Amino acid sequence: SQQGEEDPQALSIQEGENATMNCSYKTSINNLQWYRQNSGRGLVHLILIRSNEREKHSGRLRVTLDTSKKSSSLLITASRAADTASYFCATTSVISQGGKLIFGQGTELSVKP
Amino acid sequence: NAGVTQTPKFRILKIGQSMTLQCAQDMNHNYMYWYRQDPGMGLRLIHYSVGAGITDQGEVPNGYNVSRSTTEDFPLRLLSAAPSQTSVYFCASSPGRFESAKNIQYFGAGTRLSVL
Repeated sequence: SQQGEEDPQALSIQEGENATMNCSYKTSINNLQWYRQNSGRGLVHLILIRSNEREKHSGRLRVTLDTSKKSSSLLITASRAADTASYFCATTSVISQGGKLIFGQGTELSVKP
Repeated sequence: NAGVTQTPKFRILKIGQSMTLQCAQDMNHNYMYWYRQDPGMGLRLIHYSVGAGITDQGEVPNGYNVSRSTTEDFPLRLLSAAPSQTSVYFCASSPGRFESAKNIQYFGAGTRLSVL
């Protein structure tokens, strides 16, 4: 399997704290995306970072990408109970056809009020 | 704008039965995908399509068929249900063209399938 790996598998924090999730992947990529999945729902796109970018921000989200280490991190600042969800990274390989994404196994985030 | 619509939401099948999971999108996206999600396995690609009349296999295609007769619809057929096909199935669509931001995928709410 060429799936990426995410770390940690589960993370529990208090509201107001920051949450950091890491993703590692195996192949050279065109871009890396992060998705969120609330319990019992489909995935929702959060942010995309291209292979020539090192950092990107969107609201309380900060994504970094280190292509030399084949890794990315997602930081959620000032977390809220509503951020409780599973978070997945997904990569598009440079040799991929059809826009296929390779998903990591996800990090389950629990934010306690 | 409904986005990606999947039906049914839940289904219980007996071993050997066949069924079709429906997926429709109203965003005029060229690319469509079927995934299965199992605990600890993330999402795995079953089949995908880059346009009407064009389909291809993903990572785990065995036991499933797809067709794409229109841009809007991408049904997934289970030929003879097996317990190993118990899973949550997600359909997704994308405008396409991976070299830009257009490979962002939009997901349906999923179909939870149990095979007993």
